[in-house]
Amino acid sequence: KQEVTQIPAALSVPEGENLVLNCSFTDSAIYNLQWFRQDPGKGLTSLLLIQSSQREQTSGRLNASLDKSSGRSTLYIAASQPGDSATYLCAVMMDSSYKLIFGSGTRLLVRP
Amino acid sequence: DVKVTQSSRYLVKRTGEKVFLECVQDMDHENMFWYRQDPGLGLRLIYFSYDVKMKEKGDIPEGYSVSREKKERFSLILESASTNQTSMYLCASSFIGGGVGANYGYTFGSGTRLTVV
Repeated sequence: KQEVTQIPAALSVPEGENLVLNCSFTDSAIYNLQWFRQDPGKGLTSLLLIQSSQREQTSGRLNASLDKSSGRSTLYIAASQPGDSATYLCAVMMDSSYKLIFGSGTRLLVRP
Repeated sequence: DVKVTQSSRYLVKRTGEKVFLECVQDMDHENMFWYRQDPGLGLRLIYFSYDVKMKEKGDIPEGYSVSREKKERFSLILESASTNQTSMYLCASSFIGGGVGANYGYTFGSGTRLTVV
């Protein structure tokens, strides 16, 4: 059974720092991996999607990498800002079932 | 801008009531999903649908049912609401097909926070 783990559970950094959020999964037979952002009391906003055949995706200050063989993904945030404060969730889609399996999230606080 | 719209942001219902949560997407997606999110438990899949009138149970279907009469609309039904169904409910949709490199990503609604008293 696929399990998705995110470390750390919470992170507090000063504004301007570069940071890395980690996601690991136990079954490498994934279809894709998606990173989401969730603000308190809100829904999920998709940040980046990496297909199983890809190694990384970039959007602005965000870069996500995928190493399927080792069961790991990282989300790199450059030059963090207070507006980046949110919970970040990673999720994997298994084969073609289209169901997502989520990690428990990393709660990020960027201090001004 | 593509959207998944959930009809209510906040709902308060009484124990035993029948509750309908509505979700509409404007992206012509085949797949639609209902999740609930609880502190410490993360997101858990309740039901999903691959097409009109089709439904599949997720990980926690007990106490819920769904309806998909039209492609754009997916309803979650709490047959007899109970206090342990107090939660944040999230609807999502995704696309089928497109081959290698296609975007199978999910789009989520903004959520409905349901309180059952």
